[in-house]
Amino acid sequence: AQTVTQSQPEMSVQEAETVTLSCTYDTSESDYYLFWYKQPPSRQMILVIRQEAYKQQNATENRFSVNFQKAAKSFSLKISDSQLGDAAMYFCAYREKETSGSRLTFGEGTQLTVNP
Amino acid sequence: AAGVIQSPRHLIKEKRETATLKCYPIPRHDTVYWYQQGPGQDPQFLISFYEKMQSDKGSIPDRFSAQQFSDYHSELNMSSLELGDSALYFCASSFGGYQPQHFGDGTRLSIL
Repeated sequence: AQTVTQSQPEMSVQEAETVTLSCTYDTSESDYYLFWYKQPPSRQMILVIRQEAYKQQNATENRFSVNFQKAAKSFSLKISDSQLGDAAMYFCAYREKETSGSRLTFGEGTQLTVNP
Repeated sequence: AAGVIQSPRHLIKEKRETATLKCYPIPRHDTVYWYQQGPGQDPQFLISFYEKMQSDKGSIPDRFSAQQFSDYHSELNMSSLELGDSALYFCASSFGGYQPQHFGDGTRLSIL
């Protein structure tokens, strides 16, 4: 079974600075999806960014970018120019590609605090 | 843009009662997923449906059942409720079984 590990339960960053959240995963599959979801205090689950394993290029969405290291099974999220609204719980998630309607497997989450 | 609609937003039940949670996917989305998130935990997958057929099944208790209807909405039926069932229940939907999942705002279920 696939597992996702986030080794940083909490992180903090100063407003306007950059922070990197770590994620590692374990799978025997060669093609799959990886995601970062954000859960603010409202408890909504918001998709931040997606990466397909067969794509070499790291995904980028505005201030959010990933560092995908397939061989190391590492998938970190970099947030640039951090804003107060970025404060949230961030979940890394894995999804296999072969089965339609397959589940997301989440890591334990990293609570990000943004200091003014 | 239309989002995933879940109802009710909050539900309070007593032990041994039953509950039904409803999920209306984003228009044209044909795949629905259910997750359970306990306090301070990550979401745990329960079950999913693609084109009204069960496509993946997680650690869903036998006391729970779910289905997807012809209009693609889904219902999660929970019986013999236990204190440990208190959680936030998310529904997500996707267009096709391979596209990103978009989550609803969740139903907060409290068991007294």
